[in-house]
Amino acid sequence: EIVLTQSPGTLSLSPGETVTLSCRASQGLSSSYLAWYQQKPGQAPRLLIYGASSRATGIPDRFSGSGSGTDFTLTISRLEPEDFAVYYCQQYGGSLWTFGQGTKVEIK
Amino acid sequence: EVQLLESGGGLAQPGGSLRLSCAASGFTFSGFAMSWVRQAPGKGLEWVSFIGPGAAYYADSVKGRFTISRDNSKNTLSLQMNSLRAEDTAVYYCARRVPAAALDYWGQGTLVTVSS
Repeated sequence: EIVLTQSPGTLSLSPGETVTLSCRASQGLSSSYLAWYQQKPGQAPRLLIYGASSRATGIPDRFSGSGSGTDFTLTISRLEPEDFAVYYCQQYGGSLWTFGQGTKVEIK
Repeated sequence: EVQLLESGGGLAQPGGSLRLSCAASGFTFSGFAMSWVRQAPGKGLEWVSFIGPGAAYYADSVKGRFTISRDNSKNTLSLQMNSLRAEDTAVYYCARRVPAAALDYWGQGTLVTVSS
């Protein structure tokens, strides 16, 4: 099983700041089958990024993903009030999928 | 508009069974793999199972106890959960899988509580 480790656990930031979230895989991911989701309290997750760097439909360009192999990042430029949420990475390249434990981005 | 609506959650006793359903609309259901993901109260997301063309896969935590299935004629995804444990308590989401594009649409979830 591929283990995904996200860091940090929590970030306290102000609107307008830029944040970079990390997701590290225990082994290399084939074809960069790495996705990022946003989840707000009481809501279902929303797909932000797939294939490590492709934005999903309707996702603002302040969200960007990068990385390959075992190290991936999600960058949110110019945080908006609606961006404060929990972010999860997920690998979906084989027959056993896994999620990271999540990073909470909270308002400072 | 793509819609996924889960149902069937509720209270079950340890060792008991429950069957979840997910009604899909707004897309050609038979053309997509589908998945179940769960979230224990206050915890992160945990992948449970997905069903693709001719194959189904399960997380180790549910293998041998849960069975995923689909009825393309009724646009319905199901999850039969047997031998339930307290640690199966969670909100269960169904989601659509797009090849190379992960899980692009999610339902709102249904809560399963396993307790005596």
